Amino acid sequence: DGGITQSPKYLFRKEGQNVTLSCEQNLNHDAMYWYRQDPGQGLRLIYYSQIVNDFQKGDIAEGYSVSREKKESFPLTVTSAQKNPTAFYLCASTPDRPSSYNEQFFGPGTRLTVL
Amino acid sequence: AQSVSQHNHHVILSEAASLELGCNYSYGGTVNLFWYVQYPGQHLQLLLKYFSGDPLVKGIKGFEAEFIKSKFSFNLRKPSVQWSDTAEYFCAVNLNTGNQFYFGTGTSLTVIP
Repeated sequence: DGGITQSPKYLFRKEGQNVTLSCEQNLNHDAMYWYRQDPGQGLRLIYYSQIVNDFQKGDIAEGYSVSREKKESFPLTVTSAQKNPTAFYLCASTPDRPSSYNEQFFGPGTRLTVL
Repeated sequence: AQSVSQHNHHVILSEAASLELGCNYSYGGTVNLFWYVQYPGQHLQLLLKYFSGDPLVKGIKGFEAEFIKSKFSFNLRKPSVQWSDTAEYFCAVNLNTGNQFYFGTGTSLTVIP
């Protein structure tokens, strides 16, 4: 089955540590996205990538970094500079450039808790 | 700044009641509009979408939404809700020339049996 995989489902880290969240898709989608979901705030865009080796900052990129070395993979690193990292993180993808009438497909999410 | 507003944060209904969830956006250009649903413990999934044509679009599970361009609105409706509709609902907008999706803050729907 094609889809988006995010691992792990739950992640615990100590304050001050960097942590990398995995996102893999086997849908052959070009564009990939990372969102942060907090209660009452909806989904806020962290980073997105339209093609391999290219990515753009979203609305809340500070304290985060990404890479896009392969089409199917878009890992997100939450650095120690992120002031409030505890949240639910969602990865998404679209088949082509979003302006081509495409919807987003979402992974199951990773809940990160920083202790 | 671009924004998507969902004014109903929490909605509680009895089964068989009718549902309408509001969504307004602030973009002036051509937009693509979406409603996503997140059932407890599940992925976000698409309920319905509007790109062009008939402003009344039908989605899965009996949901529909109407695009009213003059009001910058895309409200979600269902004539008769079921307990299984309990979920969080998100409205999203994508500019026809852009690469980002803008989401509302979500509406939590609880349907009481």
